[in-house]
Amino acid sequence: AQSVTQPDIHITVSEGASLELRCNYSYGATPYLFWYVQSPGQGLQLLLKYFSGDTLVQGIKGFEAEFKRSQSSFNLRKPSVHWSDAAEYFCAVAPWNTGFQKLVFGTGTRLLVSP
Amino acid sequence: NAGVTQTPKFRVLKTGQSMTLLCAQDMNHEYMYWYRQDPGMGLRLIHYSVGEGTTAKGEVPDGYNVSRLKKQNFLLGLESAAPSQTSVYFCASTKGQGANTGELFFGEGSRLTVL
Repeated sequence: AQSVTQPDIHITVSEGASLELRCNYSYGATPYLFWYVQSPGQGLQLLLKYFSGDTLVQGIKGFEAEFKRSQSSFNLRKPSVHWSDAAEYFCAVAPWNTGFQKLVFGTGTRLLVSP
Repeated sequence: NAGVTQTPKFRVLKTGQSMTLLCAQDMNHEYMYWYRQDPGMGLRLIHYSVGEGTTAKGEVPDGYNVSRLKKQNFLLGLESAAPSQTSVYFCASTKGQGANTGELFFGEGSRLTVL
């Protein structure tokens, strides 16, 4: 069964600094890969997704993620963090050619933004 | 634009009581999902539905029942609540069958406390 690891429970970044959130997955083939963001008291919102093709994908709110097959990673990045980016971020994977019922979420990384 | 609406937003139950969470979506989506979110565990799928009149078990279905009598509504029931069911519950929906063709839209969550 596939699994997702987000090794950082909390990360604190200064406003204006760059951000990288780590995500590693365990799966025999290239899965579908997602990043979601959850603002306090809200549901999850899709930031970006990767299915195939260009390994650097662009998302909403200035986020991007890079798929590295050799490292089984799909790290999320942002060049300059804004205070409004403070939220919890979830990486998720689904096996190739399946539906969302097979989606597995990581445990999340909480991002704190300091002034 | 309502999207996915969950009611109630908050509820406190005593052990052994029953209750129903309602999820309503106005996007004419075929697929609907119920998740629970617990600290340090990400989201886990409870039950899902691939269309009106259908339901299926997810990763953690025990203690829950669901019904999809109308396409726009997906109900999650707890027949005899237990403290282990204290959690935040999220409903989600999508139009497409494949995880590469659709996007999950989430409700804002329902916080349930079982005493």
